[in-house]
Amino acid sequence: SQTIHQWPATLVQPVGSPLSLECTVEGTSNPNLYWYRQAAGRGLQLLFYSVGIGQISSEVPQNLSASRPQDRQFILSSKKLLLSDSGFYLCAWSLGVLGRGYTFGSGTRLTVV
Amino acid sequence: AQSVTQLDSQVPVFEEAPVELRCNYSSSVSVYLFWYVQYPNQGLQLLLKYLSGSTLVKGINGFEAEFNKSQTSFHLRKPSVHISDTAEYFCAVTYNYGQNFVFGPGTRLSVLP
Repeated sequence: SQTIHQWPATLVQPVGSPLSLECTVEGTSNPNLYWYRQAAGRGLQLLFYSVGIGQISSEVPQNLSASRPQDRQFILSSKKLLLSDSGFYLCAWSLGVLGRGYTFGSGTRLTVV
Repeated sequence: AQSVTQLDSQVPVFEEAPVELRCNYSSSVSVYLFWYVQYPNQGLQLLLKYLSGSTLVKGINGFEAEFNKSQTSFHLRKPSVHISDTAEYFCAVTYNYGQNFVFGPGTRLSVLP
């Protein structure tokens, strides 16, 4: 069966520090991968998605970047965090046509102080 | 532009009462429709989905939803809620086999004893 792992679960980082959040999927090949952010009291915002290794599409300009070094690994990064980067970050995967929907990871709560 | 509306940001109900969470989407030729639930500090979990066929869809935890094409709605219902149903509920739509979902802003369901 397919599983998705996301870590860390919580993170407190000072302003200006770097960030690296990792997401891995097991039990499937060539998944579409997604990073979403959920700010306090707001809905889900798609940040990045990837349909293959090295292929990253950005939905909004921001202080963040994403990379996909391996088929089932998706990394969200920042060189210098801002206070506004605080939020709940969710990784998700899907296969091709979206009839099955997304499967989400358990999320990372990032607090920038 | 494609959009999903969840008219109620918060819905308080008493335990064992029925509940309906509303979802409307902008019209399109073909849509897939989903409801997700998010418990505090967790990822999103798929409740149910409509792809085609019967307009009444049954999901997990006793929830069901009805697709109404003429009203472009996909309301979520449960005849008797439990305290454990307290969570945030997101409606989502994918249009024309698009690469990503459009999520609604979410409805916070609070079940009161």
